Amino acid sequence: SQTIHQWPATLVQPVGSPLSLECTVEGTSNPNLYWYRQAAGRGLQLLFYSVGIGQISSEVPQNLSASRPQDRQFILSSKKLLLSDSGFYLCAWTSGTGGFGGYTFGSGTRLTVV
Amino acid sequence: AQSVTQLDSHVSVSEGTPVLLRCNYSSSYSPSLFWYVQHPNKGLQLLLKYTSAATLVKGINGFEAEFKKSETSFHLTKPSAHMSDAAEYFCVVSDQRSSASKIIFGSGTRLSIRP
Repeated sequence: SQTIHQWPATLVQPVGSPLSLECTVEGTSNPNLYWYRQAAGRGLQLLFYSVGIGQISSEVPQNLSASRPQDRQFILSSKKLLLSDSGFYLCAWTSGTGGFGGYTFGSGTRLTVV
Repeated sequence: AQSVTQLDSHVSVSEGTPVLLRCNYSSSYSPSLFWYVQHPNKGLQLLLKYTSAATLVKGINGFEAEFKKSETSFHLTKPSAHMSDAAEYFCVVSDQRSSASKIIFGSGTRLSIRP
């Protein structure tokens, strides 16, 4: 069966420090991978998505970047965090055939920038 | 272009009474529609999905939703609310034509259950 792992679960980082959040998927190949952010009291915003290794599409210009070094690994990074980067970050995957099966989400990372 | 509107930011019902969470969508093509639930500080769990099969979709935990093309709606219902249903609910639309399968989230509806 397919599983998705996301870590860490919580993170407190000072302003200006770097960030690296990792997401891995097991039990499938060539998934579409996504990073979403949920700010307090707001819905989910798509940050990045990837349809293959090294292929990254950015939905919102910001202080963050994403990379996909391996087929089932998706990394969200920042060189210097801002206070506005605080939020709940969710990784998700779906099969390459489209949204028929719905999206499977990781358990999320609660990031607090202080 | 696709969009999804959740008409209520907060719904409060008494335990044992029916639940109705409203969702309207806009899509240029045949959409896939989903409802997700998020409990506090947790990830998202798929409740149910519509992908152009039966218009009445049954999901987990007694929830169901009906796809009404004429009304462009996909409202979520449950006959009898339980305290454990208190959570944030998201209506989601996905364009089936898109290989990248980008999905659009509604702004969410917070469901509170009164004892």
